[in-house]
Amino acid sequence: QVTLKESGPALVKPTQTLTLTCTFSGFSLSTSGMRVSWIRQPPGKALEWLARIDWDDDKFYSTSLKTRLTISKDTSKNQVVLAMTNMDPVDTATYYCAREREYVYRYDYWGPGTLVTVSS
Amino acid sequence: QSALTQPASVSGSPGQSITISCTGTRSDVGGYNYVSWYQQHPGRAPKLMIYNVSERPSGVSNRFSGSKSGNTASLTISGLQAEDEADYYCSSYTNSNTPYVFGAGTRVTVL
Repeated sequence: QVTLKESGPALVKPTQTLTLTCTFSGFSLSTSGMRVSWIRQPPGKALEWLARIDWDDDKFYSTSLKTRLTISKDTSKNQVVLAMTNMDPVDTATYYCAREREYVYRYDYWGPGTLVTVSS
Repeated sequence: QSALTQPASVSGSPGQSITISCTGTRSDVGGYNYVSWYQQHPGRAPKLMIYNVSERPSGVSNRFSGSKSGNTASLTISGLQAEDEADYYCSSYTNSNTPYVFGAGTRVTVL
């Protein structure tokens, strides 16, 4: 059974760096074709794709947020970490991690999400 | 502004059918048969309901169906039930800078 779960601080101050961890089970990111993405959803707004890391350590970022994002993985711990620098109140959102497989164009499993509020 | 356009809300009575539209461009919906639909109940993670325009994952009711014409994809829910009340998001593979684009979501209300 595939599961993912996001963890991290619920509250960060403006200008701080947010670090979120996605801990998953039921698959391995060392398996060819596996991918994990981060997607966020501001309150009452649409989903927004942020970043992706592939089984071969290829990394991809949202063009608009590329300078602020870093994605990494720890295969031994089944974890993917997203760091976002210089947080702003507009970054307040629920952050999700989701699994994707190469050539299978959809997110078949999502974590429950974690709400991050940016406020002083 | 979201890349894909969805109606903000759609409603129907139990047993009725409703259709949610999702309009994009030739760079996403119109160019690829990789449209997905996700159901999201309040406080819950999105759940994949339809993929590749019209395919249903195992376990998803056959009351949910998808289609596409040109740059517009559609999700139809037939035999509407109270449990179908949720937000629905469309998503499409795109040849832009991000791999996927999403719609703003449609709130389905069962009257």
